Amino acid sequence: SQTIHQWPATLVQPVGSPLSLECTVEGTSNPNLYWYRQAAGRGLQLLFYSVGIGQISSEVPQNLSASRPQDRQFILSSKKLLLSDSGFYLCAWSRLAVGQLFFGEGSRLTVL
Amino acid sequence: DAKTTQPTSMDCAEGRAANLPCNHSTISGNEYVYWYRQIHSQGPQYIIHGLKNNETNEMASLIITEDRKSSTLILPHATLRDTAVYYCIVRPLNDYKLSFGAGTTVTVRA
Repeated sequence: SQTIHQWPATLVQPVGSPLSLECTVEGTSNPNLYWYRQAAGRGLQLLFYSVGIGQISSEVPQNLSASRPQDRQFILSSKKLLLSDSGFYLCAWSRLAVGQLFFGEGSRLTVL
Repeated sequence: DAKTTQPTSMDCAEGRAANLPCNHSTISGNEYVYWYRQIHSQGPQYIIHGLKNNETNEMASLIITEDRKSSTLILPHATLRDTAVYYCIVRPLNDYKLSFGAGTTVTVRA
């Protein structure tokens, strides 16, 4: 069966510090991978998606970046965090051409 | 560009059926209707999807009108654990992206 893991689950970072959130999928190959963010009391915002290694599409211009160094690994990064980067970050995967997304447990980021 | 319209919130009684409406009057012929829900502090969970026929699975039923301009998600016997935000989404089958709107906050009351 397929599983998705993301970490860390929670983190508190100062403004201007770097960020790295990691997501891995097991039990499937060549998945579509996604990063979403949910600010407090807000809806889910698609940040990045990837259909293959090294292929990243950005949906919202910001100080975040994403990378896919391996088939089942998706990393969300920032060189310098802003207060507005606080939120609940969710990684998800799907099979090609199928709309059913499977979400990870989420990473709650607080920038102070 | 909001493709779906859902009520902001609704209450339902435990043990009764919950009927969640969704309007998608501009839906295209190749777009499917998807439903997800998000329980507080968790990632969204897929519920069901359909194109034009009614669909049923172990979680819910999806009723799509003949003109496909609206649909209803039915939770047959709501429980307290069904309290969540429910999202109705339309997208083409081969589109990689899935965009979530504001959804409907459903509160199941004992």
